[in-house]
Amino acid sequence: TQLLEQSPQFLSIQEGENLTVYCNSSSVFSSLQWYRQEPGEGPVLLVTVVTGGEVKKLKRLTFQFGDARKDSSLHITAAQPGDTGLYLCAGRLQETSGSRLTFGEGTQLTVNP
Amino acid sequence: ETGVTQTPRHLVMGMTNKKSLKCEQHLGHNAMYWYKQSAKKPLELMFVYSLEERVENNSVPSRFSPECPNSSHLFLHLHTLQPEDSALYLCASSQDWRREGLSSYEQYFGPGTRLTVT
Repeated sequence: TQLLEQSPQFLSIQEGENLTVYCNSSSVFSSLQWYRQEPGEGPVLLVTVVTGGEVKKLKRLTFQFGDARKDSSLHITAAQPGDTGLYLCAGRLQETSGSRLTFGEGTQLTVNP
Repeated sequence: ETGVTQTPRHLVMGMTNKKSLKCEQHLGHNAMYWYKQSAKKPLELMFVYSLEERVENNSVPSRFSPECPNSSHLFLHLHTLQPEDSALYLCASSQDWRREGLSSYEQYFGPGTRLTVT
C-alpha cells in the first residue's frame, strides 16, 4: 500500500489550460514538499508546507496543505510547455523523528503547445 | 559549482565490475542521502548519513556500499551488481533534521547517475 497516493498518474493538456494534481494519505505529515523532475535530472524542490490549511503561491502554481495535514494539492493556472515534468509530493510523517521522506509515485504532466 | 553535483551522469557496467558514484554538495548541509529511482516506482531511500555517520540503511544489498568521508562528499561503491539494479541513483542533502526550522525538512537533489547493468 502506497502511503502517499498521487493522482492523476498521467495528465496531458493543451497550453493555457488549468490543472490540479493531488497528493493524499491517511497519515498525518509534519511537512510536505512538492518537487518537479525533468527527464534525466534530479527532482527540484518547488515548495514546502508545514501548517494545516497553508496556501503558498509560486507564480502560476498554487500549493495547498490540507487542514488535517494528510493531503495536498498543486494547481497550475494557464499551463505552459515549460511546466512539463514529473511532479512529486514528499512528506515527513509526524510519527517519525528521523530524516525519512515518503514519496508519492508522481504525476507525469505533459503540456502541449 | 553550486548545489548538489553527481558524477558520472551515465554509467554502463558489467555484473563483475566495480565502480563508484560520487556526490558533492556545496550547500553547507550536514546530512546526505542516496536514493534509487526505478521506472514506475516511488523513490526508494537507500542510505542516510548525518555528520558523516551512517544513521539509516534500508535493507540495501551489500553489493552497494556507501562512504561519507566528510559532510560535503558521499560515495556509493558498486560491486557485482545485477541487471535489476539498473536505475537512476540520486544523491540529496539537507540540514540535520534534528535542527529547528523549515530548512531541516528540505532535501536538495543532484542530477543523478543513470546506471545500466549489463
